[in-house]
Amino acid sequence: GENVEQHPSTLSVQEGDSAVIKCTYSDSASNYFPWYKQELGKGPQLIIDIRSNVGEKKDQRIAVTLNKTAKHFSLHITETQPEDSAVYFCAASKTSYDKVIFGPGTSLSVIP
Amino acid sequence: DGGITQSPKYLFRKEGQNVTLSCEQNLNHDAMYWYRQDPGQGLRLIYYSQIVNDFQKGDIAEGYSVSREKKESFPLTVTSAQKNPTAFYLCASTATVNTEAFFGQGTRLTVV
Repeated sequence: GENVEQHPSTLSVQEGDSAVIKCTYSDSASNYFPWYKQELGKGPQLIIDIRSNVGEKKDQRIAVTLNKTAKHFSLHITETQPEDSAVYFCAASKTSYDKVIFGPGTSLSVIP
Repeated sequence: DGGITQSPKYLFRKEGQNVTLSCEQNLNHDAMYWYRQDPGQGLRLIYYSQIVNDFQKGDIAEGYSVSREKKESFPLTVTSAQKNPTAFYLCASTATVNTEAFFGQGTRLTVV
């Protein structure tokens, strides 16, 4: 079955710097790749997603890139702010799959 | 407002007792999921359901049970057979496979 790996597990950046989180997946048939942000004591919320027919997607300070050949996708956060501090999860799924597979998460700390 | 609601937010259970966590959604989503999250860990799938009256085991189903008698409800019972039940439990729903997951705010279960 599908396996999603995520790196790094923890990341600290200075406010205003960029943060990059990388994920790899094992099932080449996966075609939907969402990213979730989880704040302390709350449920995860979708922040951006990308489908396999697109190589890059951007939403203000957040962007996601997908390399289907290498089976990896990345989250890029520019001009980081303290409120970006949270745990970020990548995930993968496919049309014929009946569950979403999550990566282990990255704890991002933005230092003011 | 549409959403997914988990209750209670905090739950205490004595060893040897069963306890049921509630999850209700008014998004008209077909699929519902239960995840377990331990401190500093990712999301591990307990059970999921794609349709009413049908559900499948996830990666860590032992010691848990579910039912899906109504489309909007997917309660999780933590039985006394679950040896280490203290954790943060998250319920989620998706409209169909391969779409955004909406999460509840979670239930923190503590065994005393």
